[in-house]
Amino acid sequence: TQLLEQSPQFLSIQEGENLTVYCNSSSVFSSLQWYRQEPGEGPVLLVTVVTGGEVKKLKRLTFQFGDARKDSSLHITAAQPGDTGLYLCARRGAGSYQLTFGKGTKLSVIP
Amino acid sequence: EAGVAQSPRYKIIEKRQSVAFWCNPISGHATLYWYQQILGQGPKLLIQFQNNGVVDDSQLPKDRFSAERLKGVDSTLKIQPAKLEDSAVYLCASSGGGDSYNEQFFGPGTRLTVL
Repeated sequence: TQLLEQSPQFLSIQEGENLTVYCNSSSVFSSLQWYRQEPGEGPVLLVTVVTGGEVKKLKRLTFQFGDARKDSSLHITAAQPGDTGLYLCARRGAGSYQLTFGKGTKLSVIP
Repeated sequence: EAGVAQSPRYKIIEKRQSVAFWCNPISGHATLYWYQQILGQGPKLLIQFQNNGVVDDSQLPKDRFSAERLKGVDSTLKIQPAKLEDSAVYLCASSGGGDSYNEQFFGPGTRLTVL
């Protein structure tokens, strides 16, 4: 059962453009994490969101957690080639530290 | 601080052969995880260790997969015999529990190709 749906699956944009990727579930998250995975490497944690409606910024990346804590978005402003990678969202299991990942959004930023 | 180390980085075997992967977590991290990441998908947890004990192995195909962490530090994951559908990247992660959300740190993975 795929608990987390990420969209779009693939995204190819020109350098300097803005983009938003989404992570959705039919059930409530206690917390949600966003990771970026570059080719040949493991995922690296970008942010953890916990509170409904929460917005966190990391340089040109803006993360939002939905009010109902069932969805999250990642917005990148003025994308750069270094942003290329697989963006994964992950939720923690109730009462545990185990993570369940979505399939990811594969982003390509063309110079 | 050294990251999570994994070896080998790449492995190509024929079906029905055996293979083993090794992971050295970040020093002091009590929790170690093995994930399988099939091409086009997110990582799927196979097994979680707390020190040298298994916390969860519910998604580990135990008829062919085994894992151990005998001294609570390094870990090995074995597949015997391998099937074509085992082709994937095998990721090891560790966490220290120092923060309330128990950030997991991932190694670079071992890319397994089964022919």
